[in-house]
Amino acid sequence: ELKVEQNPLFLSMQEGKNYTIYCNYSTTSDRLYWYRQDPGKSLESLFVLLSNGAVKQEGRLMASLDTKARLSTLHITAAVHDLSATYFCAVAPDVDDMRFGAGTRLTVKP
Amino acid sequence: SAVISQKPSRDICQRGTSLTIQCQVDSQVTMMFWYRQQPGQSLTLIATANQGSEATYESGFVIDKFPISRPNLTFSTLTVSNMSPEDSSIYLCSVGDDYEQYFGPGTRLTVT
Repeated sequence: ELKVEQNPLFLSMQEGKNYTIYCNYSTTSDRLYWYRQDPGKSLESLFVLLSNGAVKQEGRLMASLDTKARLSTLHITAAVHDLSATYFCAVAPDVDDMRFGAGTRLTVKP
Repeated sequence: SAVISQKPSRDICQRGTSLTIQCQVDSQVTMMFWYRQQPGQSLTLIATANQGSEATYESGFVIDKFPISRPNLTFSTLTVSNMSPEDSSIYLCSVGDDYEQYFGPGTRLTVT
């Protein structure tokens, strides 16, 4: 059974600092997704990573995928308050078989 | 990406009753999915609903409790039957293409 582990589950950061969220998964997959969820809202797609070595950046967020290590990272650079949200990684060996990590609840403090 | 709407956006229901949630997509899609997100938790797939076939349920979810309809390529419903407080969750539908899934706004259900 595919297991997806995220850490940390809770992250409190100061504005301006850098940090990385990790996503490990247990079986082979070339598809990995990062989503953002604000309180009471649905999921917003951040990144779609479809191959080993894929790296994508959007603003202060950068995601990477190492399929051999079964590891993805979401790096936050110079955090700002607007980044406060819950971030989920999801692994999908097939697009119709998506499994989510537990989520990382990020709080960025002034 | 597809535009997805759900009705109702939220509801408060009494124990023992049923609620049907609708999911409407602005384009024809083959794959539709229903997820449950319990308070403070991650998303769990309930079932996959492909048009023209019976829904496929994940372990721990049964058709009697969560009947699903998929009458055409743009619409699906999920019914939460004989509700209990443990069914209080956000229910999300999503649609898939060859690369990813896109999520609807969700239905926030509270069972009292």
